[in-house]
Amino acid sequence: NAGVMQNPRHLVRRRGQEARLRCSPMKGHSHVYWYRQLPEEGLKFMVYLQKENIIDESGMPKERFSAEFPKEGPSILRIQQVVRGDSAAYFCASSPPNAGTVGEKLFFGSGTQLSVL
Amino acid sequence: EDKVVQSPLSLVVHEGDTVTLNCSYEVTNFRSLLWYKQEKKAPTFLFMLTSSGIEKKSGRLSSILDKKELSSILNITATQTGDSAIYLCAVEARAGGTSYGKLTFGQGTILTVHP
Repeated sequence: NAGVMQNPRHLVRRRGQEARLRCSPMKGHSHVYWYRQLPEEGLKFMVYLQKENIIDESGMPKERFSAEFPKEGPSILRIQQVVRGDSAAYFCASSPPNAGTVGEKLFFGSGTQLSVL
Repeated sequence: EDKVVQSPLSLVVHEGDTVTLNCSYEVTNFRSLLWYKQEKKAPTFLFMLTSSGIEKKSGRLSSILDKKELSSILNITATQTGDSAIYLCAVEARAGGTSYGKLTFGQGTILTVHP
């Protein structure tokens, strides 16, 4: 049973380009979360998605950032017109449906390190 | 706004030492407190605590929650170089009667264990 898969592991973009980060949840998991980790900071919640629905995007910047989790395929976090301040590690996590207290049923991927030149 | 603060921010010890990491929180509708270990990749789950005063233990690691003081500690005894990592504390809150994986993390404690 593969874990949460994220790709690419490392992504380099120039200012103004678009970044697309992919996340495939664990088998049987239908809930996906995206977190961002800035240097020397803890993880910050960005968005929570279920299949074809955004449930909570309270941690997402209002502009340039979007997320989707289509019926088929991985979840995508898209950052348009990247700026240097977007450089960070982006982690995806997934949990099963009806998890109750989610905490110990939440599994993280290895992250995508985005570097903006 | 929910808040989690960890201390110390960094810690350097020698193998065999015992360390105590601290986590304090302010959260509305507390559900659980979690500890993770992060070694340059995915945070891996260590403990989930929901009840005050009940120690969770796994090998040389143990943790306990104090809901009166809104805090938790993570103890590591007889440290080894393989314990070197960032230790993250997070809280999970209820949202409208349920909860989901919207965790609030502390900034982490960087533990370095020298041989």
